Amino acid sequence: DAGVTQSPTHLIKTRGQHVTLRCSPISGHKSVSWYQQVLGQGPQFIFQYYEKEERGRGNFPDRFSARQFPNYSSELNVNALLLGDSALYLCASSFSGGNEQFFGPGTRLTVL
Amino acid sequence: EDQVTQSPEALRLQEGESSSLNCSYTVSGLRGLFWYRQDPGKGPEFLFTLYSAGEEKEKERLKATLTKKESFLHITAPKPEDSATYLCAVQDTGGFKTIFGAGTRLFVKA
Repeated sequence: DAGVTQSPTHLIKTRGQHVTLRCSPISGHKSVSWYQQVLGQGPQFIFQYYEKEERGRGNFPDRFSARQFPNYSSELNVNALLLGDSALYLCASSFSGGNEQFFGPGTRLTVL
Repeated sequence: EDQVTQSPEALRLQEGESSSLNCSYTVSGLRGLFWYRQDPGKGPEFLFTLYSAGEEKEKERLKATLTKKESFLHITAPKPEDSATYLCAVQDTGGFKTIFGAGTRLFVKA
C-alpha cells in the first residue's frame, strides 16, 4: 500500500515569493495535518483538515493557508516567504484526525 | 498551555546498554500520547500510541509506558540501527492538535 506522498521533495524560493506544497494521504484516510520542522526541533503543528474542513490551526501567521480536496489530498500555501520559513514541511494523514498519524517524507523548503 | 518536554536531549549508548527516554507532558485533557522515530532528512515513523495511565506497548527492543504526567521509552539491548531521533507527542481530547517534543537523539555505538 502506498504511504503518504508529498511533492515536491525539495524547493528553493526567494524572499517574498509564494509556495504551494502538496500531499496525498494514505488511501482511506480522511484527515490531513501539516507540520513545520526546523532543524533540531520537533514538528510544529500548522493545520488539521478533516472532510475538507479546517478543524485546527496552530500558532502561524495568516501567510500560511491550506485546503483539502474531495479526494482528501491537500495543499499548503505560504505567501510572502521569509528566511525563517526555511524548514522541512511534513504532511501526516490519519483516518479521522483523532488518532495516530502517518507522515510523508516531507518537502524541504529553502528560502534565500 | 499544552507542553511536551523530552529528556535527555541526546543519549550515547554502547551496543547492548539498555536505557530509557523520558517524555513529560502537560495537557488539558489527554486523548493519546504517541512515540515516533525519525531518521535524518525523513518523516517521523509511527511507533506507539498510549491512551491511559498504566498502559504499556512493546515492539522488538522498544517498550513504551505511560503515567499521568510522563511516558518512558525503554530500549533494551540497543543496536546501532536503533540510532535515530525519538519524538514524543500528545493530542488533546479535541483531537485537533498534536504537540511534539523536541526529541531525544539516540546514538548507539557498536
